[in-house]
Amino acid sequence: AQSVTQLGSHVSVSEGALVLLRCNYSSSVPPYLFWYVQYPNQGLQLLLKYTSAATLVKGINGFEAEFKKSETSFHLTKPSAHMSDAAEYFCAVSYNAGNMLTFGGGTRLMVKP
Amino acid sequence: GAGVSQSPSNKVTEKGKDVELRCDPISGHTALYWYRQSLGQGLEFLIYFQGNSAPDKSGLPSDRFSAERTGGSVSTLTIQRTQQEDSAVYLCASSLLAGGVTDTQYFGPGTRLTVL
Repeated sequence: AQSVTQLGSHVSVSEGALVLLRCNYSSSVPPYLFWYVQYPNQGLQLLLKYTSAATLVKGINGFEAEFKKSETSFHLTKPSAHMSDAAEYFCAVSYNAGNMLTFGGGTRLMVKP
Repeated sequence: GAGVSQSPSNKVTEKGKDVELRCDPISGHTALYWYRQSLGQGLEFLIYFQGNSAPDKSGLPSDRFSAERTGGSVSTLTIQRTQQEDSAVYLCASSLLAGGVTDTQYFGPGTRLTVL
């Protein structure tokens, strides 16, 4: 069965610092990978997705992620954190035609002034 | 345009009661998904509908859970004889076409269910 692991349930950075949120997946077949963000009391919003077209994927709000097959990773980064980035971030994987998403446990990002 | 809407936003019920949760997908989206978000289990897939095909119910945790989608649009998730472990946020998502693994799923704000 497919699985997604997000290392660190909570990450705290200072405003202006690099954001790095880790995601590793288990798969014997090429996956499709997604990062979603959830702001308090809101639904999930897609940040970016990997669809095998390019290993470095750019998303909204300055986020990007790099697919590394050798490391089975899809870490999310942003060069400079803003206070508005404080939210919970979910990595997800899809393998099948039904596109049901399997989510990681989530990482809550806190940004300190 | 309008996004995915869900109602009610909050539902408090007593153990043993039945509840119905509603999802209105984005107009024209043929695929609809239900997920559950709980403290203990994280985000879990429950069920998915694609057009007029039989739904994929592989994620439903028990036979107390069921869902239907009428006219290829609105969906209702029903939980019978609710238990305290059913307390969670129930999220609905829709996408333009299932079968496209790169299709973006658009999520609603969720229904927070509390079972006392």
